[in-house]
Amino acid sequence: ETGVTQTPRHLVMGMTNKKSLKCEQHLGHNAMYWYKQSAKKPLELMFVYNFKEQTENNSVPSRFSPECPNSSHLFLHLHTLQPEDSALYLCASSPTSGDGAGELFFGEGSRLTVL
Amino acid sequence: GQNIDQPTEMTATEGAIVQINCTYQTSGFNGLFWYQQHAGEAPTFLSYNVLDGLEEKGRFSSFLSRSKGYSYLLLKELQMKDSASYLCAVRDSNYQLIWGAGTKLIIKP
Repeated sequence: ETGVTQTPRHLVMGMTNKKSLKCEQHLGHNAMYWYKQSAKKPLELMFVYNFKEQTENNSVPSRFSPECPNSSHLFLHLHTLQPEDSALYLCASSPTSGDGAGELFFGEGSRLTVL
Repeated sequence: GQNIDQPTEMTATEGAIVQINCTYQTSGFNGLFWYQQHAGEAPTFLSYNVLDGLEEKGRFSSFLSRSKGYSYLLLKELQMKDSASYLCAVRDSNYQLIWGAGTKLIIKP
């Protein structure tokens, strides 16, 4: 138990569907992150939020839309995805971002399959 | 560009010692992290090095040489539960984490 909870753990969707991934952290952290993890590839940073403000968007396609209503919750809204978007999506948190970040605390991930 | 290299897969025997290497070329350096990730689980923090030398934490140790752009993770007295992927990550001059692709460690009885 890392203090970061992601739901759903598994998701199968068609290319025309709309779905959302949810992340919640109980650590009192102020920074939250979305990462994409594909087999045998490095973790890809997608988005960073610090104190609810988006501070990083690593050229992520607009079919991925993040939302951070407060420092404890992070969503990733998905629409018109492509099969190559199939991957494990990891949420992480840290006390803050940037030079005060320290280690990241990860959730167990949402395994997404796009048909 | 920025790059982290680590072996894709390693195999070791229960009770033995294994060393997982990580070399990096990054724009600046603000620390190196090792994470462990069991299949289907969250990556969990193992160690952090920012100064040269060895950091020991129980059966696990991590070494850093900034001049060589090199680190290793040393696992002693291997147990079956150490079968996992080990991820190396470097924080660059902009405090961005640059990740390696991970090393899958297989422990055999």
